Amino acid sequence: NAGVTQTPKFQVLKTGQSMTLQCAQDMNHEYMSWYRQDPGMGLRLIHYSVGAGITDQGEVPNGYNVSRSTTEDFPLRLLSAAPSQTSVYFCASSLTGVEVTEAFFGQGTRLTVV
Amino acid sequence: AQSVAQPEDQVNVAEGNPLTVKCTYSVSGNPYLFWYVQYPNRGLQFLLKYITGDNLVKGSYGFEAEFNKSQTSFHLKKPSALVSDSALYFCAVRDRNQGGKLIFGQGTELSVKP
Repeated sequence: NAGVTQTPKFQVLKTGQSMTLQCAQDMNHEYMSWYRQDPGMGLRLIHYSVGAGITDQGEVPNGYNVSRSTTEDFPLRLLSAAPSQTSVYFCASSLTGVEVTEAFFGQGTRLTVV
Repeated sequence: AQSVAQPEDQVNVAEGNPLTVKCTYSVSGNPYLFWYVQYPNRGLQFLLKYITGDNLVKGSYGFEAEFNKSQTSFHLKKPSALVSDSALYFCAVRDRNQGGKLIFGQGTELSVKP
């Protein structure tokens, strides 16, 4: 079982460059989300989606875009990278139906913006 | 505003001793509560959850957590710590009315010494 797959695992960008972090899940989960992890700040929600075609902003959405064209994929786009976006990014997915299940996380993408 | 607090940045325990990692939350209603563990350079792994019912829930690797509604707490416990338990632990809450959105605490670094 693949679960939640994130690519790439590591990335170095120059300030102003753009890139897309990929996230795919094979569990048919409706809910998908992106978090960033910074030391001492836990995980902060960037964007989330409750299903294909539906996305919404989380706690720290500025500088990021998302789309959800399929149930499986939820890419995160950095429009113009800034050093403040240096972080570890995690994608997660979960069910949101009657049965309350835990969220499944990808292995993370470590992004450095220089 | 919804929030989760883990008051200790670090917890140090001797191997074989009991451990407690604290978590308090501020969420309206009756939230779902989760504990996750993160090993170095890895994604988050689910440990246990509280949905309803018995206030003491048991999870993976011998961990358990006690839900206390009056104190709005959900402390993680283990009767006998192992060196391999050393990791970063996150408490998270999910509002029953907000789909799969998780709010995380800032994390507690657990260090278990031989």
